[in-house]
Amino acid sequence: DAGITQSPRYKITETGRQVTLMCHQTWSHSYMFWYRQDLGHGLRLIYYSAAADITDKGEVPDGYVVSRSKTENFPLTLESATRSQTSVYFCASSDPSGVQGEQFFGPGTRLTVL
Amino acid sequence: AQSVSQHNHHVILSEAASLELGCNYSYGGTVNLFWYVQYPGQHLQLLLKYFSGDPLVKGIKGFEAEFIKSKFSFNLRKPSVQWSDTAEYFCAVRAGGGNKLTFGTGTQLKVEL
Repeated sequence: DAGITQSPRYKITETGRQVTLMCHQTWSHSYMFWYRQDLGHGLRLIYYSAAADITDKGEVPDGYVVSRSKTENFPLTLESATRSQTSVYFCASSDPSGVQGEQFFGPGTRLTVL
Repeated sequence: AQSVSQHNHHVILSEAASLELGCNYSYGGTVNLFWYVQYPGQHLQLLLKYFSGDPLVKGIKGFEAEFIKSKFSFNLRKPSVQWSDTAEYFCAVRAGGGNKLTFGTGTQLKVEL
């Protein structure tokens, strides 16, 4: 009954490195989302996915790549990390046929890019 | 594109004081409205939501919110706050039946003993 999990919870990396943040949900929700949370900006949508193999850009997609080969996983990759990508990243999921599209959030990953 | 405004960025209250946090959105069509709370070091949790019907909705922990369509507002209220309500509060809008949420910038609430 883990719900939605994210790993790692904390990550420090260097500029230019590739980083992948993992998100896993056990509810078989069709929709999954990636947000970044920054002071003064609230939560901003990076990418989302309506189902396996279907992904779409959100508000701030530049510098990020996602994939969704399985319904339960939605990894987010920073291909070449930059300092501006230092943030807290939240994954979320929702089932549009369920409780009126409510999104359920994971615990977050705090990423620091040096 | 829709947007959400939370005008109070930081609010400090004493225990037992009443709370009202403002939320305004810009979208002319059908909306679903949410308030999420993020306690220190934790993930976002749903406080309450409005989809249709009674515009006054009640959520967990004594919170309520009123949807006023003419004002494009969905303000969050609590008659008497507790120290444990210290958290960040986010208003969010789902517009036009889609599945994406647009969040406000959040309001940091600190309740002092």
